[in-house]
Amino acid sequence: NAGVTQTPKFRVLKTGQSMTLLCAQDMNHEYMYWYRQDPGMGLRLIHYSVGEGTTAKGEVPDGYNVSRLKKQNFLLGLESAAPSQTSVYFCASSYPRERAYTEAFFGQGTRLTVV
Amino acid sequence: GEDVEQSLFLSVREGDSSVINCTYTDSSSTYLYWYKQEPGAGLQLLTYIFSNMDMKQDQRLTVLLNKKDKHLSLRIADTQTGDSAIYFCAENYGGATNKLIFGTGTLLAVQP
Repeated sequence: NAGVTQTPKFRVLKTGQSMTLLCAQDMNHEYMYWYRQDPGMGLRLIHYSVGEGTTAKGEVPDGYNVSRLKKQNFLLGLESAAPSQTSVYFCASSYPRERAYTEAFFGQGTRLTVV
Repeated sequence: GEDVEQSLFLSVREGDSSVINCTYTDSSSTYLYWYKQEPGAGLQLLTYIFSNMDMKQDQRLTVLLNKKDKHLSLRIADTQTGDSAIYFCAENYGGATNKLIFGTGTLLAVQP
């Protein structure tokens, strides 16, 4: 059981380049999330999805796009990378709220540097 | 707003108790959570508390909830060097959607 898998684990981009971060979960979870982690700012929610084919904006969505074409995958895209997007990105998934408390399962993170 | 606030750093000696504090914003949150992040890893759920409870104990962990003040705390008894990590509190924000909002994280450093 792999849980939540993120690819790639590390990436260096030049300003203006584009890339896609892939998140895959094998737990049949409905909800998936993308967060970024920056020193002193904790985790901030970028986008999330409550099911296949749905996406919604989080706290800091600007400069990012997402897609959830398959239930198990949640893609995060950067169309034109900026140095301010240098961060560690975490994907997470969870059951819907109706299944009692929410335990979010996290991937290992993607460390992205934009130069 | 959606601010969940924590102090950034806590240093304790091995064997002492640690208390990590958090203030949250959404009074309608049904559950509140503590997550642990070890170096170079993702977050893992440590414990949680239902909003109609004041306290929950789980081995060395004690969670206290003050709903009136929107204050959550995590006490770790007999703190060990293996407890060194970043601790995040989190709340479900937004009613029906299951949007988890995390605090800024507290780095716990345990001195031998």
